Amino acid sequence: LAKTTQPISMDSYEGQEVNITCSHNNIATNDYITWYQQFPSQGPRFIIQGYKTKVTNEVASLFIPADRKSSTLSLPRVSLSDTAVYYCLVGDRLDYGGSQGNLIFGKGTKLSVKP
Amino acid sequence: NAGVTQTPKFQVLKTGQSMTLQCAQDMNHNSMYWYRQDPGMGLRLIYYSASEGTTDKGEVPNGYNVSRLNKREFSLRLESAAPSQTSVYFCASSEVLRVMNTEAFFGQGTRLTVV
Repeated sequence: LAKTTQPISMDSYEGQEVNITCSHNNIATNDYITWYQQFPSQGPRFIIQGYKTKVTNEVASLFIPADRKSSTLSLPRVSLSDTAVYYCLVGDRLDYGGSQGNLIFGKGTKLSVKP
Repeated sequence: NAGVTQTPKFQVLKTGQSMTLQCAQDMNHNSMYWYRQDPGMGLRLIYYSASEGTTDKGEVPNGYNVSRLNKREFSLRLESAAPSQTSVYFCASSEVLRVMNTEAFFGQGTRLTVV
């Protein structure tokens, strides 16, 4: 089970780019990196997943260096509505065996966007 | 699409009372989960069900029981509620047993207070 470490909280202002880094020194060869977003009073929702290099979708970008020991979630030009907790998860995408490691969330990073 | 529906949304119990939290999904998913979230904490896995007819303990199962009634429904029961069980409870589902990809969906949560 690859353990992840992320900052507890971050502050930003509207219009800025926000980068949240997650450390996962013990990531295994088959592990994928997945980020979830949780708004206040809501359940988490998937935002992005990647294995290496860069992944981009309409919400965010995910940068993964060659050694894969860390990853960075990038949110371009944040708005007040991006205030949320962001969770980094690392695990085997193909683990059908029921390892709890694939079901575990950490404390996440609480992002506060100010006007 | 309703997705994952939890009932009730709010509940206040007295210490020692029992109750069942209901969860239903309409996405034909095989796997379902119950998490709890305390203030300042991440999500902690209580129980999960890989498929209809199977259930397994997560990180914090003590004081809870679950029933996978059918493929759609996964209920969480508190037999004798304690103040330590005051929390927000989230139900989730996914096609297979992991939350490491785009297939995990969460309900809106049940806010439970035990006095």
